[in-house]
Amino acid sequence: EVQLVESGGGLVQPGGSLRLSCIASGFTFSNHEMKWVRQAPGKGLEWVSYISSSASTIYYADSVKGRFTISRDNAKRSLYLQMKSLRAEDTAVYYCARRSYGSGDLWGQGTLVTVSS
Amino acid sequence: DIQMTQSPSSVSASVGDRVTITCRASQGISSWLAWYQQKPGKAPTLLIYAAATLQSGVPSRFSGSGSGADFTLTISSLQPEDSATYYCQQGNSFPLTFGGGTKVEVK
Repeated sequence: EVQLVESGGGLVQPGGSLRLSCIASGFTFSNHEMKWVRQAPGKGLEWVSYISSSASTIYYADSVKGRFTISRDNAKRSLYLQMKSLRAEDTAVYYCARRSYGSGDLWGQGTLVTVSS
Repeated sequence: DIQMTQSPSSVSASVGDRVTITCRASQGISSWLAWYQQKPGKAPTLLIYAAATLQSGVPSRFSGSGSGADFTLTISSLQPEDSATYYCQQGNSFPLTFGGGTKVEVK
């Protein structure tokens, strides 16, 4: 089955760190660009980060630049998001998505990150 | 950054009605425009990419049009299962940006 499965979310205190993972199956992960998108409770979608298929090109939203790091391990068919210096406003469901023709054609089920003391 | 403005923010329509949602980019994005459907508690699903190309498996009552800065998503005959929030997203340049969403209610 073609799917993406995220993990690693949870409750973390402000200033803390968390690492999200996204495991791909059913397609050739190494051929695809990937991205992270988040959605705060009751809010719209916000793009977070992008990584090219070879990891040679990476972009971040200004809201996370310098605090979040995207990476991938093509041998493990895995995408990661290392999050540091977390703030209350980072509370959201985080989705990994496969990028195709400028869009996200395959999404994971999401993992909830709650930043609270 | 490219701003994406969606309208209306919500719409209520009856089964069988035609529903149109518009998305305007703050600058030209050629045809780098996608439409998503999101139901409560679920991940978004891709409906349309490249402004007018229907994603595989998506019912043909959904269609997209436009290029440059003005785009439209049309549901030709609204069905009960179309109750959801719809988002546009530009893929022309980074940062990728989404519209604010349109909540569609089926009466």
